[in-house]
Amino acid sequence: EPEVTQTPSHQVTQMGQEVILRCVPISNHLYFYWYRQILGQKVEFLVSFYNNEISEKSEIFDDQFSVERPDGSNFTLKIRSTKLEDSAMYFCASSEFPTGDGYTFGSGTRLTVV
Amino acid sequence: AQSVTQLDSQVPVFEEAPVELRCNYSSSVSVYLFWYVQYPNQGLQLLLKYLSGSTLVKGINGFEAEFNKSQTSFHLRKPSVHISDTAEYFCAVTPPGRRALTFGSGTRLQVQP
Repeated sequence: EPEVTQTPSHQVTQMGQEVILRCVPISNHLYFYWYRQILGQKVEFLVSFYNNEISEKSEIFDDQFSVERPDGSNFTLKIRSTKLEDSAMYFCASSEFPTGDGYTFGSGTRLTVV
Repeated sequence: AQSVTQLDSQVPVFEEAPVELRCNYSSSVSVYLFWYVQYPNQGLQLLLKYLSGSTLVKGINGFEAEFNKSQTSFHLRKPSVHISDTAEYFCAVTPPGRRALTFGSGTRLQVQP
């Protein structure tokens, strides 16, 4: 069964450093998403991406965050200057159609900011 | 805006017993409803979804859920659980045409032998 692949599975970074989380969505999917889950809290929507542009974003997704599809296969989330409160599990997801069909999620990247 | 409440943070149950995981939502517009499961060290996997039509929805692994519009609920049920059902279960909603899912806080189902 096709999978959404996320790398790395765990990343530790120092506060103030830039970090890039990588995702390879399912090849025929057109819609891409990032969510995060701070330990013990709800899964929260960050951003959706379609046709090489952001289609929707949450209040969390401020100027510190950016997304990019640098080639035909990868989808990245960049955090420019990490803060302690950015520590969370970050999930990438993709879908062939808009939300109604449900997403396929990756297994996540655990980001620890120290 | 939408919100999702999963009243039970943990549900312990014995193997082969029935289980119900509760989900209530709040929204000023109609929504699609979803249940996702997260096994340890894995991503979120779609269990089932309600978009329209029959209010009883069947999903994978023997799970089903019933949409109750008047009670704004979408409870997940399984008549007989297995040890392998031990996982975190998330209810989520989104209005048609929106991309962002709003999740509940999750319910940890612990199946005991």
